[in-house]
Amino acid sequence: EVLMTQSPGSVSVSPGERVTLSCRASQSIDTNLAWYQHKFGQAPRLLIYGASTRVTGVPARFTGGGSGTEFTLTIGSLQSADSAVYYCQHYNNGPARWTFGQGTKLEIK
Amino acid sequence: EVQLVESGGGLVQPGRSLRLSCSASGFIFDDYAMHWVRQAPGRGLEWLSSISWNSGSLGYADSVKGRFTISRDNGKASVYLDINSLTTDDTALYYCGKGLIRGDSGGYALEYWGQGTLVTVSS
Repeated sequence: EVLMTQSPGSVSVSPGERVTLSCRASQSIDTNLAWYQHKFGQAPRLLIYGASTRVTGVPARFTGGGSGTEFTLTIGSLQSADSAVYYCQHYNNGPARWTFGQGTKLEIK
Repeated sequence: EVQLVESGGGLVQPGRSLRLSCSASGFIFDDYAMHWVRQAPGRGLEWLSSISWNSGSLGYADSVKGRFTISRDNGKASVYLDINSLTTDDTALYYCGKGLIRGDSGGYALEYWGQGTLVTVSS
């Protein structure tokens, strides 16, 4: 099972600024990585898959990058609505054995 | 509009079994993998299990293998999760999710999620 480790655990940023969240895999996963936004009381929302492909409707200020074991999610022009927990998730080919990172809590000051 | 509605949660005693259901609408259910994910109180998301569009490929997290069983009924556009030997550690909000990529055994990621069904394990 691939272990996904996210950093930082939490971060507080001012509106209008940019933040980069990190996700590290315990072994190479190519670009088999997705990012989700999870707000309290709501279902998680898929933002990015294939490490860098935005889902339809996701603003361009959400940018995913990386491959192998190191991945990033950069959110520009931060808004109060971006406050949420962000999770990375590894997916594999064949019978699924997915794993989530532990999440990064983003607070907009 | 895609809708996923989970049901079957509730208060259950330790050691008992439970079947969770997820009813889907708004897309061609037969074409997509389906998954179950849970979130325990104060914890993060935990992927549990998946089933391919034709039930030919099943996947389980190591933490639940042997105790959880996933199944689907394409005629009813529903996916199920059977949980045996419940413990207090199984207390969580259980989500079902729809795979993103049509025809893929896992679907790459979860494009749509239900609102979850709460399972509380307590004596």
